[in-house]
Amino acid sequence: QVQLVQSGAEVKKPGASVKVSCKASGFTFNGYHVHWVRQAPGQGLEWMGWINPNSGATNYAQKFQGRVTMTRDTSISTVYMELSRLRSDDTAVFYCARDRPYVYGMDVWGQGTTVTVSS
Amino acid sequence: DIQMTQSPSTLSASVGDRVTITCRASQNINSWLAWYQQKPGRAPKLLIYKASSLESGVPPRFSGSGSGTEFTLTISSLQPDDFATYYCQQYNTYSWTFGQGTKVEIK
Repeated sequence: QVQLVQSGAEVKKPGASVKVSCKASGFTFNGYHVHWVRQAPGQGLEWMGWINPNSGATNYAQKFQGRVTMTRDTSISTVYMELSRLRSDDTAVFYCARDRPYVYGMDVWGQGTTVTVSS
Repeated sequence: DIQMTQSPSTLSASVGDRVTITCRASQNINSWLAWYQQKPGRAPKLLIYKASSLESGVPPRFSGSGSGTEFTLTISSLQPDDFATYYCQQYNTYSWTFGQGTKVEIK
């Protein structure tokens, strides 16, 4: 079945980095952009950026530029999101989501990965 | 960056009510607008794309309209399963933005 499966919860100290994975199955991995979306506790959805798994091209939200890196490994149909220089206000659930071509809507979502930043 | 403003932030309604949520863009986004439903502890679910196209499997009581800078999501007859938070999302020149969300509560 079509799904995105994310890696497990992480606890990090301020200043550290976190790398979250998102494995695709049930569809052609290279055919869809993958986005990352952040949701802080009790807050709304915040778009972080996307990666084109076919070319590796990325586009990051201005807020995260310089701190976020999105990569992919096509051999295992997996994309990664690494966020560096973590702060306590980075504590959030991070989602990956597939974007259907020419729809510009995210139709398949991962289950979310909780990242807690605490000293 | 394009800003998306949803109203209201919270909406109290009863089962069977007609509900309308508005989303305004800070500049023209043509019809590149999507709507999502999110329940606590769950990932968002795509309801509407390209402003008015119903995603497969979504009940027809959900509908979207608008273009340019003003958009609406309408639930024609609110059902118990519809109490949730709704977000709009725009696409424009490779950049995406979500609205701040509208929580639909039981009256």
